[in-house]
Amino acid sequence: EADIYQTPRYLVIGTGKKITLECSQTMGHDKMYWYQQDPGMELHLIHYSYGVNSTEKGDLSSESTVSRIRTEHFPLTLESARPSHTSQYLCASSEGGGGPPYEQYFGPGTRLTVT
Amino acid sequence: KQEVTQIPAALSVPEGENLVLNCSFTDSAIYNLQWFRQDPGKGLTSLLLIQSSQREQTSGRLNASLDKSSGRSTLYIAASQPGDSATYLCAVRPRSGAGSYQLTFGKGTKLSVIP
Repeated sequence: EADIYQTPRYLVIGTGKKITLECSQTMGHDKMYWYQQDPGMELHLIHYSYGVNSTEKGDLSSESTVSRIRTEHFPLTLESARPSHTSQYLCASSEGGGGPPYEQYFGPGTRLTVT
Repeated sequence: KQEVTQIPAALSVPEGENLVLNCSFTDSAIYNLQWFRQDPGKGLTSLLLIQSSQREQTSGRLNASLDKSSGRSTLYIAASQPGDSATYLCAVRPRSGAGSYQLTFGKGTKLSVIP
């Protein structure tokens, strides 16, 4: 079973608040990802990281930001939450590196509701 | 731009039946294809990964096939059980280039196995 953790699992918060969604993995993976998923829709990549101090935007524009100061930790921050940010956020990791890309392992997700 | 389509969107079968889920993709320049399972409100569990050079992969009652030239993959589930009820997602990884670690997902097939 993959060792990738997300907190909180559920969050209801008011408009304008700053929030940070936590993601940690204990597998030593280089690559980490954040996906956004609306009900009944596809997952869309919003951020990814190839390693420490590396962050890139995904194919879906997002007002969130990420940081990668430690290999195992990839937090996502929303400076001012809005109702349009209501969604499920899924974190994932994979090995990669010099060899072929490996499977992506996913955390349990954070379901965010902004009122 | 890669597009992934999964048909049907929903499927209901009686317990014990064998079934096939379909996935098609528009760009055959893929590195691998991954099948996931997602339970309601949960993250994704990786089921099978097929490299582009492979034709199929098997795990227990699951068998996934890949026909890269026609842009198709199928997930075969033998002797379905109520515990198989979930949404099944297909995702492809591009072969190379910027963002080659990004997965493109389909919307999934929601499977219900009736006891």
